Amino acid sequence: GENVEQHPSTLSVQEGDSAVIKCTYSDSASNYFPWYKQELGKRPQLIIDIRSNVGEKKDQRIAVTLNKTAKHFSLHITETQPEDSAVYFCAANPDSGGYQKVTFGTGTKLQVIP
Amino acid sequence: ETGVTQTPRHLVMGMTNKKSLKCEQHLGHNAMYWYKQSAKKPLELMFVYNFKEQTENNSVPSRFSPECPNSSHLFLHLHTLQPEDSALYLCASSQVGTSGGYNEQFFGPGTRLTVL
Repeated sequence: GENVEQHPSTLSVQEGDSAVIKCTYSDSASNYFPWYKQELGKRPQLIIDIRSNVGEKKDQRIAVTLNKTAKHFSLHITETQPEDSAVYFCAANPDSGGYQKVTFGTGTKLQVIP
Repeated sequence: ETGVTQTPRHLVMGMTNKKSLKCEQHLGHNAMYWYKQSAKKPLELMFVYNFKEQTENNSVPSRFSPECPNSSHLFLHLHTLQPEDSALYLCASSQVGTSGGYNEQFFGPGTRLTVL
């Protein structure tokens, strides 16, 4: 089955700096890569996703890059703000023939210091 | 109610009790999921139901028994649990195309389960 590794497990940055979280996956059949943000005591929510036919996607301060050859993808947050503090999960979704079998990474706790 | 709801939000049970967790999605999705979230293994997929049929059982012990009576409701029946089963149980739903085309999973708020 799919195995997703995520690094770092914790990350502290000064407000205004950039943050980068990296993930690798094992199953070459994976073709959908979502990123979820989970604030303390709240449910995970999708912040951005990328599909295998795209190498990069950007949404305001958030961007995700995908390297299918190397089987890794990264989340980039620029101009970080205190409200970006949360746990971020990457995930990989192989083609399962009509249903989603998402494997999540272990999470990165991001702290943005004002 | 909108989105994905779960009840109860908190549950404390003994190892010999039988209880059920309930999830309801109001989004018209065709797939529902149970996840276990603990400090040791965040976001473990437990079960997947696609068009009411169970399509995935991720090696979950039989003391967890899912039920999906229709595409909007999902239950997780619990019996003879162990203290290590204490965790946050999250339900999610998504719309899946018949030939793939995956979309965002929407999560419920979770049930915080404590097994004594």
